[in-house]
Amino acid sequence: EPEVTQTPSHQVTQMGQEVILRCVPISNHLYFYWYRQILGQKVEFLVSFYNNEISEKSEIFDDQFSVERPDGSNFTLKIRSTKLEDSAMYFCASRPFSGTSGGKYFGPGTRLLVL
Amino acid sequence: SQQGEEDPQALSIQEGENATMNCSYKTSINNLQWYRQNSGRGLVHLILIRSNEREKHSGRLRVTLDTSKKSSSLLITASRAADTASYFCATDAGNQGAQKLVFGQGTRLTINP
Repeated sequence: EPEVTQTPSHQVTQMGQEVILRCVPISNHLYFYWYRQILGQKVEFLVSFYNNEISEKSEIFDDQFSVERPDGSNFTLKIRSTKLEDSAMYFCASRPFSGTSGGKYFGPGTRLLVL
Repeated sequence: SQQGEEDPQALSIQEGENATMNCSYKTSINNLQWYRQNSGRGLVHLILIRSNEREKHSGRLRVTLDTSKKSSSLLITASRAADTASYFCATDAGNQGAQKLVFGQGTRLTINP
């Protein structure tokens, strides 16, 4: 069964450093997402991406964050200057359909630790 | 305001028993979805129920939706040890294309053998 993959599985970085989290969504999917889950807290929506542009973003997704689909298969989340509070599990997700049909396929996540 | 709040926060039952988890939300929704998360792993989509549906089944899962009470329940029948996980409801209340999901805090389900 096709699945969303994410790399790396774990990333440790120093505060102020840039990180790029990578995702390979399922190949025929149209919508792509990033969510994060701070330890012990709810899963939070960050951004949705469709037709090579951001379709919606949350308040969390400020100028420090950016997303890109550089080559038609990868979907990346960049955090320009990491903060301690960016430590979280970051999940990529994709979805094949538009409209209200169908759930999302989530990747296994990247655990980011900012020191 | 909080959207998608589950109760109980934790539930521990014996294998073979049924497990019921509830979810409440505050705004109008397009659909409501349930996800499972095994410890430290990704989220697995279980079932989606649209706002115009009242009940849906998938294998041992039964989901109900009461839009007048803004609540949903997930029933897992004949539970198994492998059902041990956290279960989250998530509401889709945004524009229909984006399907921005708002997750609840989750119910941690433990099935005792």
